[in-house]
Amino acid sequence: ILNVEQSPQSLHVQEGDSTNFTCSFPSSNFYALHWYRWETAKSPEALFVMTLNGDEKKKGRISATLNTKEGYSYLYIKGSQPEDSATYLCASTSGTYKYIFGTGTRLKVLA
Amino acid sequence: GAVVSQHPSWVICKSGTSVKIECRSLDFQATTMFWYRQFPKQSLMLMATSNEGSKATYEQGVEKDKFLINHASLTLSTLTVTSAHPEDSSFYICSARDGLETYNSPLHFGNGTRLTVT
Repeated sequence: ILNVEQSPQSLHVQEGDSTNFTCSFPSSNFYALHWYRWETAKSPEALFVMTLNGDEKKKGRISATLNTKEGYSYLYIKGSQPEDSATYLCASTSGTYKYIFGTGTRLKVLA
Repeated sequence: GAVVSQHPSWVICKSGTSVKIECRSLDFQATTMFWYRQFPKQSLMLMATSNEGSKATYEQGVEKDKFLINHASLTLSTLTVTSAHPEDSSFYICSARDGLETYNSPLHFGNGTRLTVT
């Protein structure tokens, strides 16, 4: 994989549902995988920075896992709330020393 | 903490004019700032990396004479779009990293600037 890819591009879930989305990134020369939440009219906000294979991080109802060998990370949201509606971006830093972003997953939580 | 202020939020200019976008770190020193551009439904595309006191490093395909970047202090970087044309219309966003941080540290973003060239 030469680019950072995210799926799905968008999804709608009902309030209270749990959901997850995927970030795929180059596994060679891996440094770190970043997750950001980007709400409309605001600036992207960092959620997690993950560096170790098998790493799992949690912040409230949001958690993320990392597999550096196969080059993917999952972001999970448990019991989605309308305020979780945002675009979730992932970015990979690797041997290029740059932050390369995916296109994001646009989440809409319906009340 | 770690607030980045970006101005203006939106700007409309006529073709052939220049536009300056400012990015300020308000409560930390940003040794490195990154300028991104986003087209609709696409990812944030890195344009250039701006280092305080030295010339910016531009990504392949980004015209350095068109997109002038100046990082004169540890708290301010500017992007000037020179002789703007309609194809330069886009969303531009800056981000910064604390001087003490590494590539394993998160970026702190501005709110972005929507540029429309008529």
